[in-house]
Amino acid sequence: AQKITQTQPGMFVQEKEAVTLDCTYDTSDPSYGLFWYKQPSSGEMIFLIYQGSYDQQNATEGRYSLNFQKARKSANLVISASQLGDSAMYFCAMRVYTVASYDKVIFGPGTSLSVIP
Amino acid sequence: DSGVTQTPKHLITATGQRVTLRCSPRSGDLSVYWYQQSLDQGLQFLIQYYNGEERAKGNILERFSAQQFPDLHSELNLSSLELGDSALYFCASSGHRDRAGEKLFFGSGTQLSVL
Repeated sequence: AQKITQTQPGMFVQEKEAVTLDCTYDTSDPSYGLFWYKQPSSGEMIFLIYQGSYDQQNATEGRYSLNFQKARKSANLVISASQLGDSAMYFCAMRVYTVASYDKVIFGPGTSLSVIP
Repeated sequence: DSGVTQTPKHLITATGQRVTLRCSPRSGDLSVYWYQQSLDQGLQFLIQYYNGEERAKGNILERFSAQQFPDLHSELNLSSLELGDSALYFCASSGHRDRAGEKLFFGSGTQLSVL
């Protein structure tokens, strides 16, 4: 069965510093996608970044980068130059397709990030 | 604006009652996903539909059911409601199901309070 693990319930980072949010996943399917979403206190789910299982290079989107280590089954999110507006819950997610056309997107438990001025 | 519309935004009801949550996906998206987010919890996958067919099922209770209609909107029906069903219910949609890169676009959610 597929599973996403985020071992950091809460994190603090100083403004303008970089922070890494951990994510490990488990699947036996060769084709999958990994995502990070941000959920601020207002509740909406905001897409941040995507990494495909066959992608050779780590994904980057502005201040966000994904440190993808396939052998370790980890997909850590790195936020550079943290801003106060980065304070939010961050969810790692995985989308898996199988030959049976099974399509499931599961989320990890999330990490609460607080940026300190 | 994600293009995914969920109604109502808020719903207050009593235990034992039945409610229907509605979701209109982004134009052209065939897949609809339902998630439940309880207080301070992550998103629990409930069920997924693709072009009217159920494709994947998660931790959905027997008291809950869903369907996707020919116009692709979806409804999540929650019956015999219990206090523990109070949660934020998200609907999300995505495009081509054969591309793992298609991200989910989320609606703003329906906050259900069972009193």
